Amino acid sequence: DVKVTQSSRYLVKRTGEKVFLECVQDMDHENMFWYRQDPGLGLRLIYFSYDVKMKEKGDIPEGYSVSREKKERFSLILESASTNQTSMYLCASSSPLDTYEQYFGPGTRLTVT
Amino acid sequence: AQRVTQPEKLLSVFKGAPVELKCNYSYSGSPELFWYVQYSRQRLQLLLRHISRESIKGFTADLNKGETSFHLKKPFAQEEDSAMYYCALSPRATGKLIFGQGTTLQVKP
Repeated sequence: DVKVTQSSRYLVKRTGEKVFLECVQDMDHENMFWYRQDPGLGLRLIYFSYDVKMKEKGDIPEGYSVSREKKERFSLILESASTNQTSMYLCASSSPLDTYEQYFGPGTRLTVT
Repeated sequence: AQRVTQPEKLLSVFKGAPVELKCNYSYSGSPELFWYVQYSRQRLQLLLRHISRESIKGFTADLNKGETSFHLKKPFAQEEDSAMYYCALSPRATGKLIFGQGTTLQVKP
């Protein structure tokens, strides 16, 4: 069974703080993704990675960066958190053998005050 | 532009009634289309994909290229179908998914 874990379920940070969201998958998947989920807007892709040390911008990368030093781990970084980054963040992974089925983590609800 | 539109934020039906969750897409080419579902306090997961043409949990979805639609249907809704449903499109050979806004299905007893 594919397992995607995220470091925190809930996180509260102050404006201007640097925030790290961690995601780990245990199925040796090459592809990993970060989304934010907002009511009425659905899921929007922030960044994705097809391999270690590779990263590609998604649809809304502004204010975010990512790091993929190991295959199983994909980190999302908010360099200077702002209130408009309050959201649910979902990590996902997929195999190149079936790129269409993405396996999602439980999500991190981030509140920036 | 590549886009997925789900026009209904909330769909509320009674148990046993038919359900149709609407999805329209914009894509120049042959799309790969999917429905993902998120039950309460569970992870988002794949429900079905158009290429498999199968019925999952009684749900089916037919790709209509003329109307650029991929509506999700079930003849008789069950209370356990209550969830958030997302329609998604994958541009060919990218491995990415473009999601719609989501529709909450509420099945009342």
